[in-house]
Amino acid sequence: GQQVMQIPQYQHVQEGEDFTTYCNSSTTLSNIQWYKQRPGGHPVFLIQLVKSGEVKKQKRLTFQFGEAKKNSSLHITATQTTDVGTYFCAGEEKGSGAGSYQLTFGKGTKLSVIP
Amino acid sequence: EAQVTQNPRYLITVTGKKLTVTCSQNMNHEYMSWYRQDPGLGLRQIYYSMNVEVTDKGDVPEGYKVSRKEKRNFPLILESPSPNQTSLYFCASSPRLALPGWETQYFGPGTRLLVL
Repeated sequence: GQQVMQIPQYQHVQEGEDFTTYCNSSTTLSNIQWYKQRPGGHPVFLIQLVKSGEVKKQKRLTFQFGEAKKNSSLHITATQTTDVGTYFCAGEEKGSGAGSYQLTFGKGTKLSVIP
Repeated sequence: EAQVTQNPRYLITVTGKKLTVTCSQNMNHEYMSWYRQDPGLGLRQIYYSMNVEVTDKGDVPEGYKVSRKEKRNFPLILESPSPNQTSLYFCASSPRLALPGWETQYFGPGTRLLVL
């Protein structure tokens, strides 16, 4: 079955440093989503990427979808303590059928920000 | 307020005692899904439903049942819970998709289950 690998598993950064997490799928994806989960909280949808090579920005967050639609990244510029949490990617396999809606999540990257 | 609610939030039970975790959303969403979250394993999809009376298996459906008799409710049933079902469970909902993309998926607050 489809696998989505996410690295690194943990990242500790000094406040103000940049942070990047990467996702790689074993199969071509139809789309990929990114979520953030604060400690003790529930996942919160950040964004979805659909097109090959797509780049989207949300303030200090930049999301990219690879040309082959098998990898994606989330980059945070100048981290802040409010960025603390675990970031997950989730991919839907291409060709899984119209409306299959089966999502496979990466295991997440836990970000700690040292003030 | 638009939200996904789950009950109970915490549950301790014993092996073999049937239980149901309820999930309800007030946003008239077609799509609903159940996930379990375990340390080191991330979020794994258990079951999902594309609309009333339409359900399908996710990655880890064994030991679980679901039903979708009404649009707003999507209960998760453990007929005979076992210790390996101890986990944090999340319900989620999303409006009808504009394929190939997704609309925002909203997660409930989670249900922490301990099976002794």
